[in-house]
Amino acid sequence: DAEITQSPRHKITETGRQVTLACHQTWNHNNMFWYRQDLGHGLRLIHYSYGVQDTNKGEVSDGYSVSRSNTEDLPLTLESAASSQTSVYFCASSDGWQETQYFGPGTRLLVL
Amino acid sequence: AQSVTQPDIHITVSEGASLELRCNYSYGATPYLFWYVQSPGQGLQLLLKYFSGDTLVQGIKGFEAEFKRSQSSFNLRKPSVHWSDAAEYFCAVGASSQGAQKLVFGQGTRLTINP
Repeated sequence: DAEITQSPRHKITETGRQVTLACHQTWNHNNMFWYRQDLGHGLRLIHYSYGVQDTNKGEVSDGYSVSRSNTEDLPLTLESAASSQTSVYFCASSDGWQETQYFGPGTRLLVL
Repeated sequence: AQSVTQPDIHITVSEGASLELRCNYSYGATPYLFWYVQSPGQGLQLLLKYFSGDTLVQGIKGFEAEFKRSQSSFNLRKPSVHWSDAAEYFCAVGASSQGAQKLVFGQGTRLTINP
């Protein structure tokens, strides 16, 4: 079955380190998204992509970057991890303008 | 820009009782509206969505929601809850100019079920 996976599921890192979170989907969806989930804030959009080589900033993009070199993957990079980036990160994908977003299982990141 | 408010952070209901979770949105045009559910340690699963047409929308797991433009609301209902409905519920709004993309989520409502 097609799916969306995230790795690692849990990550502990130190402030200042570069961290990359992986997101891989096998639906061949054009649209991919990264969100962070924090208590009291729900999910907030970090970056999104509507296709290969297309990337866009979301609501809370500072300190994060993405690149889209193929349809299946949208890795999220924290250039220099900060304690404020401790959060649960969700990747999602969808296929078209009015199509449902399907979410991955999440990555729990702790920045010490 | 659109926004979503879920006024209730935590709701507790007894198993078998009816449920209504509130969602209010702010958006100048016709919104695209969604309800997602998140079980502990899991990702989000779509319960139902509203794009246009009939304002009463049926979803999975026996849930329904009603779009009320005059009240800017999209409340989620279930006539009789089961213990397995305990989870966190998120309302989300999408701008019609962006289709179902670039969703803005509410803060979430945590549902606890008493046996």
